[in-house]
Amino acid sequence: QVQLVESGGGVVQPGRSLRLSCAASGFSFSSFAMHWVRQAPGKGLEWVAFISYDGSNKYYADSVKGRFTISRDNSRNTLYLQMNSLRAEDTAVYYCARDWRKHFDCWGQGTVVTVSS
Amino acid sequence: QSALTQPPSVSESPGQSVTISCTGTSSDVGSYNRVSWYQQPPGTAPKLIIFEVSDRPSGVPDRFSGSKSGNTASLTISGLQAEDEADYYCSSYTSSSTYVFGTGTKVTVL
Repeated sequence: QVQLVESGGGVVQPGRSLRLSCAASGFSFSSFAMHWVRQAPGKGLEWVAFISYDGSNKYYADSVKGRFTISRDNSRNTLYLQMNSLRAEDTAVYYCARDWRKHFDCWGQGTVVTVSS
Repeated sequence: QSALTQPPSVSESPGQSVTISCTGTSSDVGSYNRVSWYQQPPGTAPKLIIFEVSDRPSGVPDRFSGSKSGNTASLTISGLQAEDEADYYCSSYTSSSTYVFGTGTKVTVL
């Protein structure tokens, strides 16, 4: 069955960097676009970034543009999110999600990122 | 990239119906049928329950239905059950090739 497993979360100081990974299985990863979505504690969902199936197109939320970079390695069935210049407001659960016709049809369980000194 | 507007909460008795609105703009909800709804029980990941405004993925009960008029989409849950208690979010593709979620609605079954 389709499975998405995020990893790489943790506690990091403001201004530092962190890289999240999302391991995909159970489907043809290289055929699907992917997203990162986050949810701050007690808050709603916020779309973060999109990458096309081949990595040629990438889009970002204004709140992370210039600081976060989405990428993928289709040979490893893995999606990444490089997060630089982290801020307290980036504290959230980060989910990877599969794109299906511009909807989020499968989600991982999430990984927690806490930005705190 | 302002969030789509949803009511913070709705509540109703078992067996009744609730409707959640999701108001956007002509740059998102009003321009595309790429509107979807997600159910998120506490402590779990979201689950897709409606796509393309009104279609249901396999396995989602037909008690869940969606519609759209202008810049506002709606989710209706008919025959409300205790297991429907969760947070619900709408989402839309936008004219900037980005995506936007709604502010979220907590559904309480009385």
